[in-house]
Amino acid sequence: GAVVSQHPSRVICKSGTSVKIECRSLDFQATTMFWYRQFPKQSLMLMATSNEGSKATYEQGVEKDKFLINHASLTLSTLTVTSAHPEDSSFYICSASWGQVTEAFFGQGTRLTVV
Amino acid sequence: TQLLEQSPQFLSIQEGENLTVYCNSSSVFSSLQWYRQEPGEGPVLLVTVVTGGEVKKLKRLTFQFGDARKDSSLHITAAQPGDTGLYLCAGSPNTGNQFYFGTGTSLTVIP
Repeated sequence: GAVVSQHPSRVICKSGTSVKIECRSLDFQATTMFWYRQFPKQSLMLMATSNEGSKATYEQGVEKDKFLINHASLTLSTLTVTSAHPEDSSFYICSASWGQVTEAFFGQGTRLTVV
Repeated sequence: TQLLEQSPQFLSIQEGENLTVYCNSSSVFSSLQWYRQEPGEGPVLLVTVVTGGEVKKLKRLTFQFGDARKDSSLHITAAQPGDTGLYLCAGSPNTGNQFYFGTGTSLTVIP
């Protein structure tokens, strides 16, 4: 099956610093990657969709300068939370797909805590 | 605004009872997926439905895709405590390549 690895699984950072989260497709080429944010007991909210080699498409209300997404290769996408604040603390999950999107495969998620 | 609305949002039932979760949208989807998520983990795929009117069964779980491919349902027979979790529908609308999740249904099965 398709495997997606997300790293780190947990990170604690100080307010004002930046944090990078990596999402890798291990056994397939991911033409499309998705980044989600999830609050406790809530669903996954799509933040942005990224296609390899092009700029990410951000959902309404998501600050692209705050959440920098890079999808430089078919196996790696990164999400950088810049100048993190406590309200950015959340569970971030990536997923990857190929071709026409009919199914997505998920990473394990990253628990970000900003103190 | 959520593209996929699920109901109910929360459900607490006794072991052995049956339940149905609904996933509705005004958009047409080429396919819909159902996932189950445990706290602190990523969603785990349960099933994919692709054909309008399609019914799929996975042990005690029955999934149906609406004829117009705008809605889906998940029915669980004789629920067990191990079924407890967050159930999510998800899909990519015909109009784009984004992959959206439903609002989620948190199920608790009491022994």
